[in-house]
Amino acid sequence: QKEVEQDPGPLSVPEGAIVSLNCTYSNSAFQYFMWYRQYSRKGPELLMYTYSSGNKEDGRFTAQVDKSSKYISLFIRDSQPSDSATYLCAMRFGNEKLTFGTGTRLTIIP
Amino acid sequence: DAGITQSPRHKVTETGTPVTLRCHQTENHRYMYWYRQDPGHGLRLIHYSYGVKDTDKGEVSDGYSVSRSKTEDFLLTLESATSSQTSVYFCAISDPAGGGETQYFGPGTRLLVL
Repeated sequence: QKEVEQDPGPLSVPEGAIVSLNCTYSNSAFQYFMWYRQYSRKGPELLMYTYSSGNKEDGRFTAQVDKSSKYISLFIRDSQPSDSATYLCAMRFGNEKLTFGTGTRLTIIP
Repeated sequence: DAGITQSPRHKVTETGTPVTLRCHQTENHRYMYWYRQDPGHGLRLIHYSYGVKDTDKGEVSDGYSVSRSKTEDFLLTLESATSSQTSVYFCAISDPAGGGETQYFGPGTRLLVL
C-alpha cells in the first residue's frame, strides 16, 4: 500500500461546476500538505500549502485537511477550462522529503 | 518556473551511453532535487542536495549519480542508460529558511532511451 493514495481519474466536469479532488494517506506523522497543478508537458507548480488540520482559501481554491481521517481535499469553485490539468497532492513531516500522490487528471468541459 | 532551467529539454539516446542532465537555478536556494515522473508512479525522488558538494540518495537512486559544485547547478548523470530510465525528469529547488519547505519545479527533461 502506498503512503499516499490519489485517484488518477480522469475526471471530467462541465465548466462552472465545483470540483473536489482528494488524497488519503497512511502516515499520521504528516503535518505539511501541498497541492500542485501540472499542465501537460510542464513542471508542477505549487497551488496551495497548508499546515496541520483546517481549511485554507485562495480565490476559487480551498484546501482542506482532516488529520483524524487522514484525508485531504482540494475544492475548485466556478471551474474554468484553464483549470484542466493534473493535480498532485504532496505531504511531509518534519524535515523529511515530500511524498507525492500519483495525480488526478482533470478536464473542464466548456 | 521560479528561476529554474533544465537542459536539454528533450533527449534521445541509446542503451549503454552516458547521459548528463543539468539543472540551473537563479534563486540561490540551498536544496535541489532530481525526480523522475512515470505513469502510475507519480514523482519519485532520485537524489537531492542540501548544499555544495552535499548530496544524498532518494528512493530510486540506482543507476544515477549527481554532482553539485556550485550553488546554482545540479547535475544528474546516467552512467550507462537503460530503457527503464526512459522518463520525464524534473529538477526542484527549496529553501527551508522561513519556516516551511515548499519545492518549486523546473520545466522537465524528456528522456527516451532506445
